[in-house]
Amino acid sequence: AQKITQTQPGMFVQEKEAVTLDCTYDTSDQSYGLFWYKQPSSGEMIFLIYQGSYDEQNATEGRYSLNFQKARKSANLVISASQLGDSAMYFCAMREGLSGGYNKLIFGAGTRLAVHP
Amino acid sequence: NAGVTQTPKFRVLKTGQSMTLLCAQDMNHEYMYWYRQDPGMGLRLIHYSVGEGTTAKGEVPDGYNVSRLKKQNFLLGLESAAPSQTSVYFCASSYPPDRETDTQYFGPGTRLTVL
Repeated sequence: AQKITQTQPGMFVQEKEAVTLDCTYDTSDQSYGLFWYKQPSSGEMIFLIYQGSYDEQNATEGRYSLNFQKARKSANLVISASQLGDSAMYFCAMREGLSGGYNKLIFGAGTRLAVHP
Repeated sequence: NAGVTQTPKFRVLKTGQSMTLLCAQDMNHEYMYWYRQDPGMGLRLIHYSVGEGTTAKGEVPDGYNVSRLKKQNFLLGLESAAPSQTSVYFCASSYPPDRETDTQYFGPGTRLTVL
């Protein structure tokens, strides 16, 4: 079974509007972390936001916020006031507990976001 | 700070050739990782290192070897390249998972084509 599911292969949004990118995850661990990364056409992976499983408040970083619903195992990324520069591939990733002695990061397949003027 | 850097940025190999990809980080991170990214997929872990002189296999280690002789450097080697190893390779680094911030920071990637 997939650990990280991003059901939207592609999304588009009008400039200045908000957009939500979906991410659901599957884990039996009590301690885990959820990350979002942005990959523009230039190819680099840019860290956006992090949510710990024990964090009671949703994480926010500037125009990015993470809508964390633990019971539903979802960690959706919300981008407010979209800009043309937000056009990119977005990856949701999960770090599972401390098993194996390293922070194993599992990635979803990604969602390609296009921002239209 | 440069963060995580990778060399080279692009490379074309013929089947059977060997090469080494170099990753360097200046954030004093203990952990380093090598991933590959194939079209339509997220990143998959090849090998990782939890400290100088130690390495371990990730999800897709076959055909690759790694070395971590210095804390700041992590090398990925392909001894006999195959077309299936055509991919984009990313290096990443982080603090250990018991630190508050264990976010993995990525290098710019190396695009490798094996003919």
